[in-house]
Amino acid sequence: QVQLQESGPGLVKPSETLSLTCTVSGFSISSAYYWGWIRQPPGKGLEWIGDIYRDGSTSYNPSLKSRVTISEDMSKNQFSLRLSSVTAADTAVYYCARDSGGPGLSSWGQGTVVTVSS
Amino acid sequence: SSELTQDPAVSVALGQTVRITCQGDGLRSYYARWYQQKPGQAPVLVIYGKNNRPSGIPDRFSGANSGNTASLTITGAQAEDEADYYCCSRDSSNNHVVFGGGTKVTVL
Repeated sequence: QVQLQESGPGLVKPSETLSLTCTVSGFSISSAYYWGWIRQPPGKGLEWIGDIYRDGSTSYNPSLKSRVTISEDMSKNQFSLRLSSVTAADTAVYYCARDSGGPGLSSWGQGTVVTVSS
Repeated sequence: SSELTQDPAVSVALGQTVRITCQGDGLRSYYARWYQQKPGQAPVLVIYGKNNRPSGIPDRFSGANSGNTASLTITGAQAEDEADYYCCSRDSSNNHVVFGGGTKVTVL
């Protein structure tokens, strides 16, 4: 059974870069599917950030595209998120998830809280 | 447009039936997926495709699609069904994923 776990700093200063890693166990990210990031600001809905396919191709939310980079490290079975020039509006719970095609985002990490504050 | 629109909130009496809708032009071509999210927890997939439930999801959850509208029905709502529900779809024209704004279901 696939499991995903987010990790990274819980506090980031304004204008700096947010960096998170998702470690996947029970499934090789190089074998199939999309691997993505979703966030949820406090008290608000879900927002798709972007994802990466097994071939390394990426898709990003147009509203975040200029600041987002998603990459993968197949040797560690991990994929990562970098969000640059953060502001308080980027404060959210960040989730990593596997998109299995038809079923969509069928497996999620538990989420990690990231606060942007000086 | 790939936007998905949901009603913000709906209530249902215990044991009764509630239908949640999701509207968007993209749904004319692609099925919605539905996620349940309880406070402090990650979302859980409850319906995908034409009307498919992942393993472990009770059969009181069902989905339907018509034109630009997808719906999630809970037949015989239970107290544990009180949660936020989000519809979601991937637009193959640009490979972007979009979520609806979410519907808060209250079980009375």
